[in-house]
Amino acid sequence: DIQLTQSPSFLTASVGDRVAITCRASQDIRDYLAWYQQKPGTAPKLLIHTASTLQSGVPSRFSGSGSGTEFTLTISYLQPEDFATYYCQHRHSYPITFGQGTRLEIK
Amino acid sequence: EVQLVESGGDLVQPGGSLRLSCVGSGFTFSNHWMTWIRQAPGKGLEWVASITPGGTEMRYVDSVKGRFAVSRDNTKDSLFLQMSSLRVEDTAVYYCARLAGTTSIFDYWGQGTLVTVSS
Repeated sequence: DIQLTQSPSFLTASVGDRVAITCRASQDIRDYLAWYQQKPGTAPKLLIHTASTLQSGVPSRFSGSGSGTEFTLTISYLQPEDFATYYCQHRHSYPITFGQGTRLEIK
Repeated sequence: EVQLVESGGDLVQPGGSLRLSCVGSGFTFSNHWMTWIRQAPGKGLEWVASITPGGTEMRYVDSVKGRFAVSRDNTKDSLFLQMSSLRVEDTAVYYCARLAGTTSIFDYWGQGTLVTVSS
């Protein structure tokens, strides 16, 4: 199974900051990586797929990069509504797996 | 507007069975792979099972193989998860989600239904 490891697991930042979350895969997954945002008590929301393609309706302050085994989700100019938990997910092969999550909290 | 609405979650004893349902609307249900993903309380996301548009092929995570069965009824725009031999560790919110095209990109999710396995 392909393991995804996110870092950091916990992050504090202020409104207006730029933050980056890394997702490392245990083997080459090409660009078969997506990022999701989840707020407490709600379902996850797709932000980015295929490593860097912004899902329709998602603000442009979110961006994704990377390929192979290392990927990054960057949020530029944090907004209050961005404080949430973020997950990466691969679709290279079965079983599909998610990273353990990165909780982003306001400083 | 795409909507997915799950139902069927409940409190069940270990070893018991339960059937979850998910009804889709706002899109052509029969054109899409569908999936179940779960989240244990306070934990991360775990993919459980996926099914092809025609319902002829299924994929499962190893921990549920032989115990869970995913199916669909395209005439009713419905997805199901039949769960048997339930274990305490199956306790979770179960989400149904739509896959974008033929990829395993989960572009729309339901609100989830809670399954609690406890004696």
